Amino acid sequence: DQQVKQNSPSLSVQEGRISILNCDYTNSMFDYFLWYKKYPAEGPTFLISISSIKDKNEDGRFTVFLNKSAKHLSLHIVPSQPGDSAVYFCAASAISAGGTSYGKLTFGQGTILTVHP
Amino acid sequence: GAVVSQHPSRVICKSGTSVKIECRSLDFQATTMFWYRQFPKKSLMLMATSNEGSKATYEQGVEKDKFLINHASLTLSTLTVTSAHPEDSSFYICSARVRTSTDTQYFGPGTRLTVL
Repeated sequence: DQQVKQNSPSLSVQEGRISILNCDYTNSMFDYFLWYKKYPAEGPTFLISISSIKDKNEDGRFTVFLNKSAKHLSLHIVPSQPGDSAVYFCAASAISAGGTSYGKLTFGQGTILTVHP
Repeated sequence: GAVVSQHPSRVICKSGTSVKIECRSLDFQATTMFWYRQFPKKSLMLMATSNEGSKATYEQGVEKDKFLINHASLTLSTLTVTSAHPEDSSFYICSARVRTSTDTQYFGPGTRLTVL
């Protein structure tokens, strides 16, 4: 039961262009979403997150969009740089109504981004 | 800030031996740490949640007697792979949760375990 899905295993983009990474989820209890970047044989690096009370969060070249009705989020990287080449994971968490949570993250399968010079 | 370290980064051991992996939050206190396993070309699989001062919560299918987790302090959690076998060879990653109003987890660099 894959509750978080990244349907594109890979994405190839030219340097300077926009990279759009997509993620879909099925669990309506998810209300906090994160994107991580991962290089081989390293731990994931946190990039950006968004709460379900927002539909957009921006941090430098990275912007995350959330469409709750479609249960879809996307990460936009612009302009893309060769150093952005890595595996990108989206993750989701459910925060209880009380404001605390178990803290468990559910990850997608990852998308390999390759940015060509 | 929010730096998580793991030690060792790489370990090779003989079948039947036990291996301990340490996970430390270096600049913050982590009441909750998580242990993941990543198979080649696969996503991260949560193995267990480690809460300081209490027993770990294991995910379905993860053997608690096989993967012993201890979270003795707010900055240290350990994972011990007992009686390791070749099928336990994998990339093990820990994360620590920053206790704010959100659930951001910061990950360690991972430990590559190879069981011969």
